[in-house]
Amino acid sequence: AQSVAQPEDQVNVAEGNPLTVKCTYSVSGNPYLFWYVQYPNRGLQFLLKYITGDNLVKGSYGFEAEFNKSQTSFHLKKPSALVSDSALYFCAVRDINDYKLSFGAGTTVTVRA
Amino acid sequence: GAGVSQSPRYKVAKRGQDVALRCDPISGHVSLFWYQQALGQGPEFLTYFQNEAQLDKSGLPSDRFFAERPEGSVSTLKIQRTQQEDSAVYLCASAPRGDTGELFFGEGSRLTVL
Repeated sequence: AQSVAQPEDQVNVAEGNPLTVKCTYSVSGNPYLFWYVQYPNRGLQFLLKYITGDNLVKGSYGFEAEFNKSQTSFHLKKPSALVSDSALYFCAVRDINDYKLSFGAGTTVTVRA
Repeated sequence: GAGVSQSPRYKVAKRGQDVALRCDPISGHVSLFWYQQALGQGPEFLTYFQNEAQLDKSGLPSDRFFAERPEGSVSTLKIQRTQQEDSAVYLCASAPRGDTGELFFGEGSRLTVL
């Protein structure tokens, strides 16, 4: 079984401040981890993934995420948030021996000007 | 096309009607997934195809849900005798052959059952 927890329903930050969206996961084996973003009335857009290698992964639009195996976490970060980063963010996990992605419930990010 | 295309984007059905939702994946993508996203929730897995073979339908909520991909390209998700609890956004995603790639999602079909 695999699952994802996103403990915060909402994150609010001021433009220019650092942004962190938290994610913890559970899988029986080794994980592949993903972050997706969803804008209103749009499909999910891929941001970044961790497969293997460096624990710090860099992705689209200046986002990065850090894989922490001991804490089973994969938090999404951006050093300086923009108003245009306001959206719904989903963390997802799959076991390397599986094909199904399991998603968290999502975190709504609001960046105020 | 350049991305995954889904139609209709919006569908309103009366309870008891049958509906069909279409997904046109990215050309050449082997894997195709259907997910259901209820309001305020993350997507939930419904079913998975590899080419024309439906390898996993464990997420389909009832026998009223049926999916097919007869030629290994376009897929259709059919819901018979719709119920109010079927109201959700149905997302289609595709991926090329390979184990580590991300899924490419369509914009979804929003189904409202009255």
